[in-house]
Amino acid sequence: DTEVTQTPKHLVMGMTNKKSLKCEQHMGHRAMYWYKQKAKKPPELMFVYSYEKLSINESVPSRFSPECPNSSLLNLHLHALQPEDSALYLCASSQEREFGGGYTFGSGTRLTVV
Amino acid sequence: AQTVTQSQPEMSVQEAETVTLSCTYDTSESDYYLFWYKQPPSRQMILVIRQEAYKQQNATENRFSVNFQKAAKSFSLKISDSQLGDAAMYFCAYRGNTGTASKLTFGTGTRLQVTL
Repeated sequence: DTEVTQTPKHLVMGMTNKKSLKCEQHMGHRAMYWYKQKAKKPPELMFVYSYEKLSINESVPSRFSPECPNSSLLNLHLHALQPEDSALYLCASSQEREFGGGYTFGSGTRLTVV
Repeated sequence: AQTVTQSQPEMSVQEAETVTLSCTYDTSESDYYLFWYKQPPSRQMILVIRQEAYKQQNATENRFSVNFQKAAKSFSLKISDSQLGDAAMYFCAYRGNTGTASKLTFGTGTRLQVTL
């Protein structure tokens, strides 16, 4: 299995809702990432998990809450989002110590906050 | 901090022709990795080609090749025999070789159109 699977593919939520994005990989990668991508812009790093521990938080607002229950699964819990949080959310994974391998990306969740 | 610059917001190429996308970067590290990713309308970021900084030989993957100039900190992508399926957003990216789970830093992207 050489894929990163993200669900759902599309999500519409109100500003008072609570929802979660899910990311799964079975490549044995021990680093997992959440990126946010606005239209026609490059992905912006949000969080990095290394060996299931949060290693980087790029000053992301607390309405985004990441979770890594095990080495294959990464969640992003959403609460009280704003319309400007509407974007494509990409998950990626990589080998922990093999930096030349690049990242494997999922196809993303298109989030719309209304 | 590392920065990656793509100075061409949009490029256009005719089918079967060759096009070169430019990328420059800034870093104080001597050992690092460079990548080109493709993002078609389907949204998924697809790795096109990678280059290790310690290798002088330019990487090649079928119709895709790079011109890596370490001293000039330049990393351009050449697409030969362009196909309609090559139309996409192309991102140049940098990854250092220090620390755990080092970050991938992206350029602003170049949108490639392929015309008949």
